Parts: sequence; structure tokens; C-alpha cells
Amino acid sequence: DVKVTQSSRYLVKRTGEKVFLECVQDMDHENMFWYRQDPGLGLRLIYFSYDVKMKEKGDIPEGYSVSREKKERFSLILESASTNQTSMYLCASMLGGTRLLFFGEGSRLTVL
Amino acid sequence: TQLLEQSPQFLSIQEGENLTVYCNSSSVFSSLQWYRQEPGEGPVLLVTVVTGGEVKKLKRLTFQFGDARKDSSLHITAAQPGDTGLYLCAGAGSGGGADGLTFGKGTHLIIQP
Repeated sequence: DVKVTQSSRYLVKRTGEKVFLECVQDMDHENMFWYRQDPGLGLRLIYFSYDVKMKEKGDIPEGYSVSREKKERFSLILESASTNQTSMYLCASMLGGTRLLFFGEGSRLTVL
Repeated sequence: TQLLEQSPQFLSIQEGENLTVYCNSSSVFSSLQWYRQEPGEGPVLLVTVVTGGEVKKLKRLTFQFGDARKDSSLHITAAQPGDTGLYLCAGAGSGGGADGLTFGKGTHLIIQP
């Protein structure tokens, strides 16, 4: 089974802090994704990556950056956290062009 | 922009009842996926439907893709408390890659014992 592991299930940060959310997958998938999920808004794509060192903006990239130095690891970075970034963050991976997403358990971030 | 509308938004029923939730769009999708998400967890893929009119069964869950590939439904027979969760549909457009996936906002389903 595909395993997607997110490093932190729950985080509480202060406004202005730098936040790293780590995601690791163990199935050698080329594609990885970061979404945020908010009540009433559903899942929104922040960034995705089709290969190592490659990144593409999703629908809501503002305020975020990403890093993919190794195939199995995709990190989401909030350079200066703000309260409107309080959300559930979901990482996912996908094999090739299958269009099937495997999600991690999520990281619930609260920014005070 | 492709949109997927899911209905109902919330549904609470008694154990043993049947239910259907819907996923509708004005756009055509090459395939459509259903996920279930339990509280505090990430979504888990249930099924993918690809062909217009396709019906897939997963135990008590029946998934159907509309003939025109614009809509889908999920029918649950004899619902159980373990079916409780957020059901998400996601449509894949003609472009490649998951950036082409459009998610609905989900149906929150609660099955009362």
C-alpha cells in the first residue's frame, strides 16, 4: 500500500513565524501535491511537483513556497505565517498519469 | 473553470437506511473519483469511474458515472455508522496530471446508530 506521511499532525504557530510542513511518500511516485482544506471551500491546490527540483503553482500559491530536493519528499513552507493560513494541509502523491491521489493524514495548522 | 457541485451538503440518517449523494457539473470529465475522509484524517480513494454509464459496486456502495460523463452518484444501501464521513468527488479533465483534478466541496454524512 502507498504510504504518505506528514511530519506533524497538529501545529500551533504565531503570526510571522516560519513554518515547515514535511511530506514523505514511499512508493516512488513522480508527482506530489499540497492542498489546503477549509470548511465551505473544499480542497484547494497550493503547489504541485512532477519531478525532483520541479514545482508548479496551483490555484492558491500566494504566501507559500515548496521544496522538492528528493523524489520522496515534498515540503511546504510558510515564510511568514498569517492567521488566514490556519487550515488543514493535505499532502498527496500520484503515480505517473493515473490521476489517482494518495493522501497523507493531514497537518492541522493553527496560526495565532 | 470546471465546477463540481455535490448535494446534499449535509445528510444525517439512521442506521439501516439507504441514501444517495450526487456530484454534478456542466463540464465533461475523462474520469471521476470518489474519496471518503474521516474526521482528522486525509481522504482515501474509494473508486474511479471512467466510462459513461459505468456502474461500480464496492460492498454496499454503488457508484455510477453519468452517460454524458458530467455527473456521478453514490448510493449506499443499509448504511452503517462506519459509513460516517465526508464524501468527496473529483473530476479529471482532459489535461494530464492531478492539477487537472476538480474537487467538489463534499457531502458530510452522519449515520446514527
